[in-house]
Parts: sequence; C-alpha cells; structure tokens
Amino acid sequence: DVKVTQSSRYLVKRTGEKVFLECVQDMDHENMFWYRQDPGLGLRLIYFSYDVKMKEKGDIPEGYSVSREKKERFSLILESASTNQTSMYLCASIPQTGRGQTQYFGPGTRLLVL
Amino acid sequence: QQQVKQSPQSLIVQKGGISIINCAYENTAFDYFPWYQQFPGKGPALLIAIRPDVSEKKEGRFTISFNKSAKQFSLHIMDSQPGDSATYFCAASGNAGNMLTFGGGTRLMVKP
Repeated sequence: DVKVTQSSRYLVKRTGEKVFLECVQDMDHENMFWYRQDPGLGLRLIYFSYDVKMKEKGDIPEGYSVSREKKERFSLILESASTNQTSMYLCASIPQTGRGQTQYFGPGTRLLVL
Repeated sequence: QQQVKQSPQSLIVQKGGISIINCAYENTAFDYFPWYQQFPGKGPALLIAIRPDVSEKKEGRFTISFNKSAKQFSLHIMDSQPGDSATYFCAASGNAGNMLTFGGGTRLMVKP
C-alpha cells in the first residue's frame, strides 16, 4: 500500500513565525503536491514537484515556498505565517507524470496561526 | 474562480436512500473526472472515476453519470449507509495531465 505521511497532525504557530510542513511518501513516486483545504473551497493546489529540486507553482502559491531535496520528501514552507494561512494542508503523490492517475493523500496537517 | 462547481455543500440522507452530488465544469479540455471520499481525520482517497467516452460508470453502490454536452457529472450513492458519511470531492483534469481541479466538497451525513 502507498503510504504518504505528514510530520504533524496539528500545529499552532504565531503570526510571523516560519513554519515547515513535511511530507514523505514511501513508494518512489515522482510527483508530489501540496494543497490547502478550506470549507466550501475544496482543495486548492499550492505547489507541486515532478522531480527532485524541481517545483512548479499551483493556483495559490503566494506566501508559500517548497523544497524537494530528496525524491521521497516534499516540504512546504510558510516564510512568515499569517492568520489567513490557518487551514488544513494536504500532501499528495502520484507515481509518474501521466493523465488520469490516482493521487494518494496524506492525513493532513491542521495549522492554526494565532 | 472555481472551474469545477459542486453542489450541495451539505446533504443529509436517510439510511437506504439515494445520495446525489452534482458537479459542473467549464473547461472543455477536461477529460478525466474522479471523485474522492474523505473521512474525518483522513486524507481524501479515490472513490471512482470516469472519462468522457462513457456516460455512466458503476462500482458497487456508487455510480458516476456524465453529461458531456451539459458539462456536468454527478455521483449517485445507492442504498446509502451511515458508513458513507464523509466529505466527497469531485475533480477534473485535462491537458495538464496530473493537475486536478477540485470542487468545493459535499459533506454527506447518512442518518441511521
């Protein structure tokens, strides 16, 4: 079974703090994604990566950056957390580039920025 | 601007009833339409998916109906069970390959 794990289930941070969210997948998947989930807005893509050290902006990249130094690990960074970044963050991966592939999601990190 | 619009936002159904969730899309380049199911405390997981060359796909109690001309697709859950209570997301992808555009989600509650 594919396993996607996220470093924290819940996080509470202060405005202005630098926040790291980590995601690890154990199936040698090439592509990894970061989404945020908000009520009524569904899942919105923040960044994705199709290879080590490669990254592409998604629909809402402002205020975020990412890092992919190893194939299995994809980190989301909030350089200076703000209250409007309070959300559920979901990581996902797929085996390789190609149409119609199943995305495998981690359990999510619920972030509260005070 | 949501390219995939999902309704309703929430739905309450009695056990044994039919749950229906609808989605509409705008981008005619979309050619893959999955539905994801998310239980509380879990990430979404693929439930069922359809491509536009068929109008319906059925897997057990779950059916996707697809109307290409209307740019709409829907999920029907027959004989709904309390264990189906979850949030459901429709999604679509097209020429961009891996990228999924998600609907806003529907929180389904099936009452015993």
